[in-house]
Amino acid sequence: DGGITQSPKYLFRKEGQNVTLSCEQNLNHDAMYWYRQDPGQGLRLIYYSQIVNDFQKGDIAEGYSVSREKKESFPLTVTSAQKNPTAFYLCATLNLALGQNSPLHFGNGTRLTVT
Amino acid sequence: QKEVEQDPGPLSVPEGAIVSLNCTYSNSAFQYFMWYRQYSRKGPELLMYTYSSGNKEDGRFTAQVDKSSKYISLFIRDSQPSDSATYLCAMSALFFSGGGADGLTFGKGTHLIIQP
Repeated sequence: DGGITQSPKYLFRKEGQNVTLSCEQNLNHDAMYWYRQDPGQGLRLIYYSQIVNDFQKGDIAEGYSVSREKKESFPLTVTSAQKNPTAFYLCATLNLALGQNSPLHFGNGTRLTVT
Repeated sequence: QKEVEQDPGPLSVPEGAIVSLNCTYSNSAFQYFMWYRQYSRKGPELLMYTYSSGNKEDGRFTAQVDKSSKYISLFIRDSQPSDSATYLCAMSALFFSGGGADGLTFGKGTHLIIQP
C-alpha cells in the first residue's frame, strides 16, 4: 500500500448510524482522494483535498463529509443521509510537486457493510 | 462526455498465453492513460502510465495508445497465474489533480484469470 494506511479493513454498521473511515499517509503527498468502488462500476470520486484545511466535492459527495486538518490524514464520514453506503472505499494520494509525472497511489481500502 | 468502456470479462486464458486487455473512450481530449491491477480485496496498483499516443514497455507488460481510434490496450506476455486480477484502465484530459473534468475517469475493470 506504499505508505497509505486505511483502517479498518472491514466495517459493519447499522442503518442510520454515521461511520468514519480513516486514511493516513506518510508519503508527504499534497493531495488526497476518496473513491467508492461498487461491483460492475468504475471508481467514482467522492471528495478530494489538495491542501490542508481545504477540500472539494467529487462526483458523488452527497451523504459524505470529510476533513483535512493535517497533511497526513483525510478521514471520510459516511452519514445516515447516504442512501446506499455499502461499498468498497478507497483512499488515494498524489504528489502534486511531480506534476504530470506523478500517478495516483491507492491504499488497500475499507469494505463497509451497512445493514 | 467522460465515458470509458471496458469489457468486464471474465477473461480466462492458459498460462503462458499473450493477454490483450482493452478500453475504448469517447472524449478526444483524454491524453493521460493508466492501467491499474487490482487483486481481490486490495487497492489498485499502478502498472503503466502513458502520456499521449504511442507504446510503452515494462517487462512483460506493454501499453499501447491509439488516440485516432480512441483505443488503449495492455498486453501481457508469458502470462502467469499471479497475473490473475482485475485490470482497470483510467484516463484524463488534464493533469488529474482535481475532480470533475480535471479528474480521472475509470473503466469498470476486466477480470482476468490465468489457468495453470
